[in-house]
Amino acid sequence: SSELTQDPAVSVALGQTVRITCQGDSLNIYYASWYQQKPGQAPVLVIYGENNRPSGIPDRFSGSSSRNTASLTITGAQAEDEADYYCNSRDSSGNHNYVFGTGTKVTVL
Amino acid sequence: QLQLQESGPGLVKPSETLSLTCTVSGGSISSSNYYWGWIRQPPGKGLEWIGSIYYSGSTHYNPSLNSRVTISVDTSKNQFSLKLSSVTAADTAVYYCARYSSVPPSWFDPWGQGTLVTVSS
Repeated sequence: SSELTQDPAVSVALGQTVRITCQGDSLNIYYASWYQQKPGQAPVLVIYGENNRPSGIPDRFSGSSSRNTASLTITGAQAEDEADYYCNSRDSSGNHNYVFGTGTKVTVL
Repeated sequence: QLQLQESGPGLVKPSETLSLTCTVSGGSISSSNYYWGWIRQPPGKGLEWIGSIYYSGSTHYNPSLNSRVTISVDTSKNQFSLKLSSVTAADTAVYYCARYSSVPPSWFDPWGQGTLVTVSS
């Protein structure tokens, strides 16, 4: 089965830019989707497909991908962006399975 | 606006079967464009995909849980359900239900609010 690896934690100064990465073999085949999770809340979709934001997600969130790595970038981080972020994609095994990344805790300083 | 809501017992004894239901409102579970999935998150840990079901009843399960998981759908009630057998303390988690598209690229949206299930005697 596939695995998606993320850095456990990153920090960013208020108003600055932070990039969160997600690595895995399945990302050579499938786009990642990205989820924001605040304490005690359900995950919320922030990026899907090549680089699409659901309605209501600020345009400071953007996504990109290259080979086996997907990235989520927050340009001009705000205090409310402090959260855990998870990537997700379909498994590369050919089965209809899905895998989540290990998660990244983003701290806004 | 599509909404999902999990329901079921918050406490299950070891070796017994965990049973949860997800009720879909604001849309039909019989849409041909979507699968319906279960995801869980142990306290303080990451997300784990459990499995999914199509309105026709076709299912897919996480290989690590495959032998213990059953997901079913009741289109008349606009609900789908999860059963996880022979539970242990390691199955203690917040369980979420979510919708995702049937054709890649897929994404999980929306999610239910989640329900905490504790496995303890």
